[in-house]
Amino acid sequence: EVQLVESGGGLVQPGRSLRLACVASGFTFDDFAMHWARQAPGKGLEWVSGISWNSTSIGYVDSVKGRFTISRDNAKNSLSLQMNSLRGEDTALYYCAKGTRAYGSGSYLERWGPGTLVTVSS
Amino acid sequence: SYEVTQPPSVSVSPGQTARITCTGDKLGDKYVCWYQQKPGQSPVLVIYQDTKRPSEIPERFSGSNSGNTDTATLTISGTQAMDEADYYCQAWDNSTSVVFGGGTKLTVL
Repeated sequence: EVQLVESGGGLVQPGRSLRLACVASGFTFDDFAMHWARQAPGKGLEWVSGISWNSTSIGYVDSVKGRFTISRDNAKNSLSLQMNSLRGEDTALYYCAKGTRAYGSGSYLERWGPGTLVTVSS
Repeated sequence: SYEVTQPPSVSVSPGQTARITCTGDKLGDKYVCWYQQKPGQSPVLVIYQDTKRPSEIPERFSGSNSGNTDTATLTISGTQAMDEADYYCQAWDNSTSVVFGGGTKLTVL
């Protein structure tokens, strides 16, 4: 059974940093792209970032480019999101999601974790 | 940047057919997938690559994406009360990567 467990969320002041982690199990982690998506309270889904199985293809939504960095450690079945210069509009539930084997056209988020809440406030 | 648009809400009577649309420029040239999200839960993939259904998803869920239109459709046949949820379409664009629609709240009444 695919399991994705996020951690690292919490309350952080504007301008500060936070690092999210996701540990995966139940599938061959290094065969699949991985993604982070988020959902602000009462709002819709927003894709944040994605990374191919071998980290050669990486993408970000425009609003986080230059502030967030996605990475993965295939030896540890883990995905990370380093979030710097946080803003109030980054407040959201952050989901880790298993992608498809290919990173590109036709990509979708096959399984989602329960999410970890990030609150940016002074 | 690429965008896809959904109606904010759709209502359907139990047992009837619900249709939720997703519109975007040349969307017929892209693969579309759909997610269901119930309150307090994580999204669940219900349709991928336009028409394919994960094995655990009931047959009453189906998808279409005509090659010569800008609209993809999620169809729920024989809608049940348990289908009441928010539904999101998603596509991939080379400039924007993963793109979600704004979501449609399906009410079964």
